[in-house]
Amino acid sequence: NAGVTQTPKFRILKIGQSMTLQCTQDMNHNYMYWYRQDPGMGLKLIYYSVGAGITDKGEVPNGYNVSRSTTEDFPLRLELAAPSQTSVYFCASSYLRTGTETQYFGPGTRLLVL
Amino acid sequence: QKEVEQDPGPLSVPEGAIVSLNCTYSNSAFQYFMWYRQYSRKGPELLMYTYSSGNKEDGRFTAQVDKSSKYISLFIRDSQPSDSATYLCAMSGNSGGYQKVTFGIGTKLQVIP
Repeated sequence: NAGVTQTPKFRILKIGQSMTLQCTQDMNHNYMYWYRQDPGMGLKLIYYSVGAGITDKGEVPNGYNVSRSTTEDFPLRLELAAPSQTSVYFCASSYLRTGTETQYFGPGTRLLVL
Repeated sequence: QKEVEQDPGPLSVPEGAIVSLNCTYSNSAFQYFMWYRQYSRKGPELLMYTYSSGNKEDGRFTAQVDKSSKYISLFIRDSQPSDSATYLCAMSGNSGGYQKVTFGIGTKLQVIP
């Protein structure tokens, strides 16, 4: 079991460029999440998905898009990168979205936008 | 006012010390309380969770919730250098049918050998 995997580990983008952060889980979890973590700000939810084909916005969705065509994959798309999107991005998954379940996090993607 | 307040530290303690980590919160709807541990350049991992008020013990770790004071704590006994990490509190509860999990900013702990 690899758990939650994320690629790439680190990326430098120029302002205005686009990229997709990949996330895959092999635990057959129905819920998946994207967070960003900034110093002194904690984890902020960007988007989440309750199953294939269903996604919804979190607290900070502006500038991002997601899709969920399979149970395993939940890519995050940045269309026009801005310096404010410099952050560490974590993908997570869980079996149930009840607030009591464990969220399993990936190792993160560090993104620098210059 | 933030929904969850957590002192970012850093907190430095000698090996073997008892560590106390705390969070306060303002949302009365929170019912589930969690502690995540995050090592440097890694993703968070769940350490403990509790429901409502009370204590929960797991080895050297004790989680405590006081809903009347809106205050939660994590105690680490006989702290080890391997406990050096950032500890994030997290809370959730019903919010119009959407089970939102809110994280604290994390407290950085260093245990010195």
